[in-house]
Amino acid sequence: NAGVTQTPKFQVLKTGQSMTLQCAQDMNHNSMYWYRQDPGMGLRLIYYSASEGTTDKGEVPNGYNVSRLNKREFSLRLESAAPSQTSVYFCASRAGTIDNEQFFGPGTRLTVL
Amino acid sequence: GESVGLHLPTLSVQEGDNSIINCAYSNSASDYFIWYKQESGKGPQFIIDIRSNMDKRQGQRVTVLLNKTVKHLSLQIAATQPGDSAVYFCAENPHQTGANNLFFGTGTRLTVIP
Repeated sequence: NAGVTQTPKFQVLKTGQSMTLQCAQDMNHNSMYWYRQDPGMGLRLIYYSASEGTTDKGEVPNGYNVSRLNKREFSLRLESAAPSQTSVYFCASRAGTIDNEQFFGPGTRLTVL
Repeated sequence: GESVGLHLPTLSVQEGDNSIINCAYSNSASDYFIWYKQESGKGPQFIIDIRSNMDKRQGQRVTVLLNKTVKHLSLQIAATQPGDSAVYFCAENPHQTGANNLFFGTGTRLTVIP
């Protein structure tokens, strides 16, 4: 049981390049989330998927798109990377609709030059 | 977004002492709270949670206290160990969306002095 996995762990992009961050969970969770974490700050929600087939914007969605490929996988795409998107990106999942904790992946450290 | 703040950005304690990390929240509609621990280079890890129908909950060496009157949350760590050094985040669920999204504070860095 690997929990939440993310690929890649590190990535360097040039301004204007595109890339997709991958996330998968093997806990049969319904909800999945993408956050970004900037130095000295907490986690800010980019997009979330409450259940398979649905996605919604979070607090900071501009410049990102997501795809809930199936129940296990939730990807985050940067179409045209900007230096302001340099951050650590975390994927998380949560079991269901009642209050319970989110489980986090190890993160992807992205640098945009 | 929701405002979840911490009183102190850093905390240093001697090994073996007790640690108290505080968190203020602003949304009185929040009824579920979580504390996470984040070690350097890792994702946040769940420590303990509490629902608003409780004012105290205990885990292994950790206790969370909730004071709804003043909208304050605290995490107490007993007999703090070097392995407790990390950044600690509180998070709340104000039920602003149907997905029960969490809103995170900025974190407190706990340093344990051997």
